[in-house]
Amino acid sequence: QVQLQQSGAELVKPGTSVKLSCKASGYTFTSNHMNWIKQTTGQGLEWIGIINPGSGGTSYNVKFKGKATLTVDKSSSTAFMQLSSLTPEDSAVYYCARNMGPDYWGQGVMVTVSS
Amino acid sequence: DIQMTQSPSLLSASVGDRVTINCKASQNINKYLNWYQQKLGEAPKLLIYNTNNLQTGIPSRFSGSGSGTDYTLTISSLQPEDFGTYFCFQHNSWPDTFGAGTKLELK
Repeated sequence: QVQLQQSGAELVKPGTSVKLSCKASGYTFTSNHMNWIKQTTGQGLEWIGIINPGSGGTSYNVKFKGKATLTVDKSSSTAFMQLSSLTPEDSAVYYCARNMGPDYWGQGVMVTVSS
Repeated sequence: DIQMTQSPSLLSASVGDRVTINCKASQNINKYLNWYQQKLGEAPKLLIYNTNNLQTGIPSRFSGSGSGTDYTLTISSLQPEDFGTYFCFQHNSWPDTFGAGTKLELK
């Protein structure tokens, strides 16, 4: 069965970076795009961007360009999202989710940005 | 960006009720509209994709309809496990966008 296993919660300091991971199993990793999505109480759900694991091609929400960088490691079927220059506004739950029009989602990872 | 206006934001209903949730897009999204259910502390779960296609494993009491800019999720007979928050989502054009959500609570 399709599973997306995300890395654990992060507590990070302002101005630093964090790299989140999403390990896929149960399907051919390179056959389906991977989205990253942010959820906060205030802003709701926001689509950050998408990566084609086969080609490495990406598309970003303009709001997150320069903030998020999406990559993959095909050898381990893992997608990554690096968030840079973190501020308290980046505190959120982040999800990876498979496919355009996402069908399967990871369990989410909470990122807390605090000094 | 395409704006998704979801209504109502809060819906109180009883087990057995028929409920509808609406989503209006700021422009034609060509039926690229999904519906998700989210329960507290969990990831969203896909219910309906591309307007009216039931995701595998989802009960048939869930259905979707719509076209152009206006879309509807219907639950024909509410069950206790259906309470939670529902989101619409358009993937017609990037950036994909979500509705603000409808919290479905027990009356």
